[in-house]
Amino acid sequence: GAVVSQHPSRVICKSGTSVKIECRSLDFQATTMFWYRQFPKKSLMLMATSNEGSKATYEQGVEKDKFLINHASLTLSTLTVTSAHPEDSSFYICSARGTSGRNGDTQYFGPGTRLTVL
Amino acid sequence: KQEVTQIPAALSVPEGENLVLNCSFTDSAIYNLQWFRQDPGKGLTSLLLIQSSQREQTSGRLNASLDKSSGRSTLYIAASQPGDSATYLCAVKKYSGNTPLVFGKGTRLSVIA
Repeated sequence: GAVVSQHPSRVICKSGTSVKIECRSLDFQATTMFWYRQFPKKSLMLMATSNEGSKATYEQGVEKDKFLINHASLTLSTLTVTSAHPEDSSFYICSARGTSGRNGDTQYFGPGTRLTVL
Repeated sequence: KQEVTQIPAALSVPEGENLVLNCSFTDSAIYNLQWFRQDPGKGLTSLLLIQSSQREQTSGRLNASLDKSSGRSTLYIAASQPGDSATYLCAVKKYSGNTPLVFGKGTRLSVIA
């Protein structure tokens, strides 16, 4: 089946630093990747939709200058949390949508990245 | 705006019991609906996907039904086991293509041995 990986799985950083999270589709090409954020015991909230080769579309209330998204290839999207603060601590999950066929209308989810900002 | 509600928020049952998790959505114009499992601190595992034209899907001890016109779906788990303990999330997709999934808050299931 289609596999999506995320790296790192867990990161602890100091307040004010920037953190980059990678999301890769390992065995299929993903024209679209979605970034979600999940607070403890809450559901997944969509942050942005990332399309290969174009600017990401951010959901209302999500600061695009704080959460930088780059989708440079059909298998890689990155989320950079700039100048991280403790309130940015959360579980970040990406998902990838395939280009066609079996993978065309299914979102495959990565294992998530736990960010803790001290 | 689509809203997805899951009831109950938490459920505790003894091992071996059959159980039903409920999901409702406000906009019945959906493309598909998906049930996921999430273990604590982990990502999502897709359990069942039901297209809007389908009424149900089955996988092992799991059966998901969809009544699109009334905006409801149920996930039936037969003969529950302690290993079924997890949070179960329901999500709907409005259109084919680039529209994202909209998630409910989940039902946290505990199966007691």
